[in-house]
Amino acid sequence: EAGVAQSPRYKIIEKRQSVAFWCNPISGHATLYWYQQILGQGPKLLIQFQNNGVVDDSQLPKDRFSAERLKGVDSTLKIQPAKLEDSAVYLCASSLTSGKSLGEQYFGPGTRLTVT
Amino acid sequence: GESVGLHLPTLSVQEGDNSIINCAYSNSASDYFIWYKQESGKGPQFIIDIRSNMDKRQGQRVTVLLNKTVKHLSLQIAATQPGDSAVYFCAERMDTGRRALTFGSGTRLQVQP
Repeated sequence: EAGVAQSPRYKIIEKRQSVAFWCNPISGHATLYWYQQILGQGPKLLIQFQNNGVVDDSQLPKDRFSAERLKGVDSTLKIQPAKLEDSAVYLCASSLTSGKSLGEQYFGPGTRLTVT
Repeated sequence: GESVGLHLPTLSVQEGDNSIINCAYSNSASDYFIWYKQESGKGPQFIIDIRSNMDKRQGQRVTVLLNKTVKHLSLQIAATQPGDSAVYFCAERMDTGRRALTFGSGTRLQVQP
């Protein structure tokens, strides 16, 4: 079974520029997550989708971050404009369900963003 | 690939020894706990999970212990191998309300051959 795919793997931008990340979850997985992982820390949830609807975006900095999953499959995460503190690895994960069942999350390899 | 957890606490063990990685979780309402392994340049990989109605669960070479009284979780790895070298994270989740995983800060495991 193919895993969660993410692109690009690495991105370097200057502050105040824009950047977008793409995620393709495991086929059939209804739930998709975006996490931010700052070096030396555990992943922090940014947003969670159930199909094409947002379940939880309480920790998403909405003044600069946006995400969409229009057709309930692929997702994009955008930062506009980027700040130095946005330098991190952005991880995408997917699971079969986010309801009362536990739904193991499978993670992609991440996109390493460096803001200079 | 990039390094994960350059400034994390580190546990160094000899190959073949048993490893114990500890985690203190924060929310007494959490009822589901998972251990993840993260190698450099890769996303976290599921190792083992446990519900709050259990205090021990065993997998292949791994055991998770849960002490709800002191909000403590541990991961035991038997006969540690060089391939076990990675950063290990515990994560917690509630069964109601916000169900997102909350990750701990991680421990780096270094296995000496």
